Formats: sequence, structure tokens, C-alpha cells
Amino acid sequence: GNSVTQMEGPVTLSEEAFLTINCTYTATGYPSLFWYVQYPGEGLQLLLKATKADDKGSNKGFEATYRKETTSFHLEKGSVQVSDSAVYFCARQSGGYNKLIFGAGTRLAVHP
Amino acid sequence: GAVVSQHPSRVICKSGTSVKIECRSLDFQATTMFWYRQFPKQSLMLMATSNEGSKATYEQGVEKDKFLINHASLTLSTLTVTSAHPEDSSFYICSARTGGGDYGYTFGSGTRLTVV
Repeated sequence: GNSVTQMEGPVTLSEEAFLTINCTYTATGYPSLFWYVQYPGEGLQLLLKATKADDKGSNKGFEATYRKETTSFHLEKGSVQVSDSAVYFCARQSGGYNKLIFGAGTRLAVHP
Repeated sequence: GAVVSQHPSRVICKSGTSVKIECRSLDFQATTMFWYRQFPKQSLMLMATSNEGSKATYEQGVEKDKFLINHASLTLSTLTVTSAHPEDSSFYICSARTGGGDYGYTFGSGTRLTVV
């Protein structure tokens, strides 16, 4: 089927640590892939996206590369900040209306 | 950039009453809007896809008679929770496609519904 699987949280890191949040997807074809971030009490914001294989999305120091060989779109950041504490959702497009299917979300807590 | 305005942000209602949630695209036309439900510390579950001028497409397991969706114009979609019960308490989020080749999606800020 069409689904998105991301690593369970919470992920707890110290400031300036390296971050990886794994995301894999199942799909027929090559759907567009996204990472969204949800800060406490707020709605979702697009963090980055990739629309085809081997594309790299990047924003605010975060990066993710569309890997068709491993059907993955792992999120990385070299040095996290306290302000990065949030819930991160991996998502893929699906269906004729191009609806978004979300992973379960990964909560990140960064401590000073 | 594209903005989706969602209201109300919070609502408390009594069991058995109905609640309407509105989503407006402020600076673009949204032919398609999506309604999601998010339980505490869980992911977003797609409830339905709303298309302007036609009936909404509901996901499996979502009661269309309980969650009424209307998309009467290119800038407004509404979700009405009818005869609400405490188990309907949740965070509801709308999203609109901004169209174009970049597959942009803009999300509303969400509505926290509490049924007492």
C-alpha cells in the first residue's frame, strides 16, 4: 500500500548535536516527499520537499535526500538548536487528488 | 505567501450540538482542500478531500453524515461536526493545495474541539 514510516520518538538531543530522523515510504512510482514541522500549539509548516529521485530538499539547516533505491527520505541537521524542538512529520503525496499521507511524527526535544 | 485562515482556533461545545469549522484561502483560489484530524501526540489522519462545487471524498471509516463538508466557493471550505460527542474531541486541521508545479500545500492553524 501507500504508507509512510518514520522513527519513533521522542528524540532527545543536546544543543549542537547531529540529528537524523528516519523516514521510509512505500509507493508505486515516485511520489513527491515532504517534511513538515509542528511547533507546540501551532499548525504544520512545510520544512522542505523533494519532487523527484535524487533531489535534495533543504531549509534552515535541515536536509533530506530522496533515495529511490532505499525508498527513504531521512531528515538531517548538523547542529540542532533548542528552537528546533518540535514534532516532525514525513509525508508523501498519494492518489488522484495528490493528498498527503503522513507518518506518525517524531518529537524532538533539544536541551541546552 | 499563500495563507489559509482557519476559525475558530478553539471551541468548546456541549454533547449533541453541532460545530462548524471554517477554512479560507486568503490570497489564492483553492479548488481542493483537505481535512485532517489529529489526536494528542499522534499523526494527522486524513478525513476527507473537499473539491469546490462537488461532494467531498471521505476516507474509509469516516462518517460522512457526522462530518459534513461543504466547499461552496474557491476560497471557503467548512467542516461541520454534527451531534458532537466527547469522542469527537480532537484537533482538526485543514489544508489547501496552492496549485502549480511545486505541489504546494498550506495548512490552517487548526481548531481544538472539546466536547463536554
